[in-house]
Amino acid sequence: KQEVTQIPAALSVPEGENLVLNCSFTDSAIYNLQWFRQDPGKGLTSLLLIQSSQREQTSGRLNASLDKSSGRSTLYIAASQPGDSATYLCAVEMNRDDKIIFGKGTRLHILP
Amino acid sequence: DVKVTQSSRYLVKRTGEKVFLECVQDMDHENMFWYRQDPGLGLRLIYFSYDVKMKEKGDIPEGYSVSREKKERFSLILESASTNQTSMYLCASKVTSGTYEQYFGPGTRLTVT
Repeated sequence: KQEVTQIPAALSVPEGENLVLNCSFTDSAIYNLQWFRQDPGKGLTSLLLIQSSQREQTSGRLNASLDKSSGRSTLYIAASQPGDSATYLCAVEMNRDDKIIFGKGTRLHILP
Repeated sequence: DVKVTQSSRYLVKRTGEKVFLECVQDMDHENMFWYRQDPGLGLRLIYFSYDVKMKEKGDIPEGYSVSREKKERFSLILESASTNQTSMYLCASKVTSGTYEQYFGPGTRLTVT
């Protein structure tokens, strides 16, 4: 059974720092991996999706990488800003048209 | 832009009431999902649907049912609401070609008293 883990559960860093959020999964036979952002009391916003054949995806200050063989993904945030404070979740899909399995998220706080 | 909307942001219901949560998406997506999110438990899948009139149980379907009469609308029904169904409910729809990206609605915070 696929399990998705995100460590740490919470993280505080000073504004301006580059940071890395981690996601690990137990079954490497994934179809894709998606990173989401969630603000308190709100829904999830899709940030980046990496197909199983890809190694990374970039959007602005965000870069997500995928290493299927080791069961890991990282979300790199460059030059962090207070507006980046949110919970970040990763999720994997095992097959096309399958349900998505979520990690419990990392709650990020950027200190002004 | 993909839009997934949910009928209410906040809802307060009494124990035993029948509750309907509505979700509508405007991008002709085949796949739609209902999750609940609780502190410490993360997102848990309640039901999902691959197409009109089709439904599949997720991880925690007990106490819930769903309806998908039209492609754009996926309803979650609490037949007899209980206090342990107090939660944040999130609806999502998914692209079934290309990236297979999943899009979420804003959520409904349901309180059952």
